[in-house]
Amino acid sequence: AQRVTQPEKLLSVFKGAPVELKCNYSYSGSPELFWYVQYSRQRLQLLLRHISRESIKGFTADLNKGETSFHLKKPFAQEEDSAMYYCALKATGRRALTFGSGTRLQVQP
Amino acid sequence: GAGVSQSPSNKVTEKGKDVELRCDPISGHTALYWYRQSLGQGLEFLIYFQGNSAPDKSGLPSDRFSAERTGGSVSTLTIQRTQQEDSAVYLCASSLVSSPLSGELFFGEGSRLTVL
Repeated sequence: AQRVTQPEKLLSVFKGAPVELKCNYSYSGSPELFWYVQYSRQRLQLLLRHISRESIKGFTADLNKGETSFHLKKPFAQEEDSAMYYCALKATGRRALTFGSGTRLQVQP
Repeated sequence: GAGVSQSPSNKVTEKGKDVELRCDPISGHTALYWYRQSLGQGLEFLIYFQGNSAPDKSGLPSDRFSAERTGGSVSTLTIQRTQQEDSAVYLCASSLVSSPLSGELFFGEGSRLTVL
C-alpha cells in the first residue's frame, strides 16, 4: 500500500523568505505525485504535477526517487501563499489519490 | 460552468441518526470520488466511482458507510447510526478519466458534518 507523509503540520515564514514544504512517500511502483492547495474559504485545487515539471505561482517540486521525496519549494514567499498544502500520490492503475495530512503555510508580513 | 456541487454545506445531527450527503459532479466527468477531511488527519479516501464499473469501496471505514451513484451522475453518501467520530468535512471530487491531466481532481466545497 502507498503512503504519503508530510511531517510538518504548520510552517511559518516571513514574507520574502524561502519556503520548502516537505513530502515523503512510500510506494513500491512508479508514482505520479501532485501538490494540491486550499486557500482560505476556497476549494481544494491542483497546484502542480511532477510529470509536468512546471512552475506554478513560483512554486516548483522535484521528484527524488532515491529519497522518495517530492518537496515543494518557492524562493520568496508571499503573503498570498498562506494556505493548506497537500501532497498526493497516484499509484499505477488506481484513480484515487492518496493524500498526506497537509501542511499549513503561514506567511507573515 | 458550475463546479462540483455538494449539499448540504453544513449538517448537525444527533448521535445514532442517519445522514445523507449529496454530490453533483461536473457535467461530463465520469469519475467521482468521496474523501473525508478531518482535523489533523488530512484527506482520507472513502470511495470511487467510474462509469458503470463496480465502485472501489476500499476506503469506507465501516459498514455504516455506503454510497451510490445514480445514472452515472449524482452521488449520495449515506452514514447510518452516526457516531461522534464521523464528524468531519466530506469532500466530493470528479474528474475526466480520459483527460491527459490524469490525477487532476475537481473538488466541491464539502459538507461539514457535526455529530452531537
